[in-house]
Amino acid sequence: GAGVSQSPSNKVTEKGKDVELRCDPISGHTALYWYRQRLGQGLEFLIYFQGNSAPDKSGLPSDRFSAERTGESVSTLTIQRTQQEDSAVYLCASSSRQGDQPQHFGDGTRLSIL
Amino acid sequence: GQQVMQIPQYQHVQEGEDFTTYCNSSTTLSNIQWYKQRPGGHPVFLIQLVKSGEVKKQKRLTFQFGEAKKNSSLHITATQTTDVGTYFCAARGDSSYKLIFGSGTRLLVRP
Repeated sequence: GAGVSQSPSNKVTEKGKDVELRCDPISGHTALYWYRQRLGQGLEFLIYFQGNSAPDKSGLPSDRFSAERTGESVSTLTIQRTQQEDSAVYLCASSSRQGDQPQHFGDGTRLSIL
Repeated sequence: GQQVMQIPQYQHVQEGEDFTTYCNSSTTLSNIQWYKQRPGGHPVFLIQLVKSGEVKKQKRLTFQFGEAKKNSSLHITATQTTDVGTYFCAARGDSSYKLIFGSGTRLLVRP
């Protein structure tokens, strides 16, 4: 079956522009996570969605970052007024339940801010 | 908040040598998962440990969960060049639904 799909795979934009990243989770997966991974670094948790519950936004680094998810489907991560330090790979993962099931990752969006 | 410490940060071994990475937490963990990320790829789930003292094997890989459920290890016997990548542990606390990832151990294997 289809895995987690992320788009675009690469995004190059100028500093100050807004960007929107998309994640299509595996069908039926209620939990969805966004992570940021800087070059050679670990996974930095950004936000977590579980079904129709209020999302856990505790990892968002600033108010320039926001994310939405409609039900148990597609999620979008928006970064406003991008800065050079936002350059990273943004990974999305989904799982069938909270935390006790494996996370399935997409290939990520490589974001480069000029 | 809960933190998961992983060591070493990286290790460079000769093909055929063994490799071990360690994951430690100051709090009791509900479960621990291990992931492998190949260069340029995304993390891929390897295994989950839930029980105190649990040991699981996958071919040359041996995973252990400590008796106190505060630490875990991944041991690779006789490394191969296909083992190259970064190995992450990820843990969930007893009262948390969120997985916290360790910083990862990057394994390089000399052929």
